[in-house]
Amino acid sequence: ETGVTQTPRHLVMGMTNKKSLKCEQHLGHNAMYWYKQSAKKPLELMFVYNFKEQTENNSVPSRFSPECPNSSHLFLHLHTLQPEDSALYLCASSPGTGGEQFFGPGTRLTVL
Amino acid sequence: AQSVTQPDIHITVSEGASLELRCNYSYGATPYLFWYVQSPGQGLQLLLKYFSGDTLVQGIKGFEAEFKRSQSSFNLRKPSVHWSDAAEYFCAVGVNDRAGSYQLTFGKGTKLSVIP
Repeated sequence: ETGVTQTPRHLVMGMTNKKSLKCEQHLGHNAMYWYKQSAKKPLELMFVYNFKEQTENNSVPSRFSPECPNSSHLFLHLHTLQPEDSALYLCASSPGTGGEQFFGPGTRLTVL
Repeated sequence: AQSVTQPDIHITVSEGASLELRCNYSYGATPYLFWYVQSPGQGLQLLLKYFSGDTLVQGIKGFEAEFKRSQSSFNLRKPSVHWSDAAEYFCAVGVNDRAGSYQLTFGKGTKLSVIP
């Protein structure tokens, strides 16, 4: 595997379910990010991790819970979601001190 | 706080025609600037970036962009569009907010349609 991978690519869940999104980067980067992309809205930064430490939480509801066990892996744990949380969730990584971010293909989430 | 404006929501061009996508940013210093492209159902792919130096930057797939400080703009251009260029294009500004926290702020995107 190369670049940034995300699993699953598609996820349908009910409002009472608990699920997790996984992101893995094979680029040796130190920073990882979660974004939410909804229709007709700009990409919204959700969380930033640098060297496994969370450095940004962009006022994200607590039903989204990130986890970064090491610099290569990032998870987004989901519970008690709402239909308006349906979106494309994108993971990205960067060297950490600036520069471009490299994006995964995203997870298309549908909350019923 | 920084912001990015892409004034064109949707642009349609004929294959072989030239293209210019507009991007204006708001930031107090010289930012890092990027253009990304996103095909339907996919993640974002970096087209090109500007950090410093030559204000005309070349990217992949024949794209280029010019940084104009006086206009706070970073417009994307391509001399001859191919049908495969149909996608959504995002301009972004990168800022070091605080020690250890680097963020990209994206515009809302411009959807490009190409007529054969």
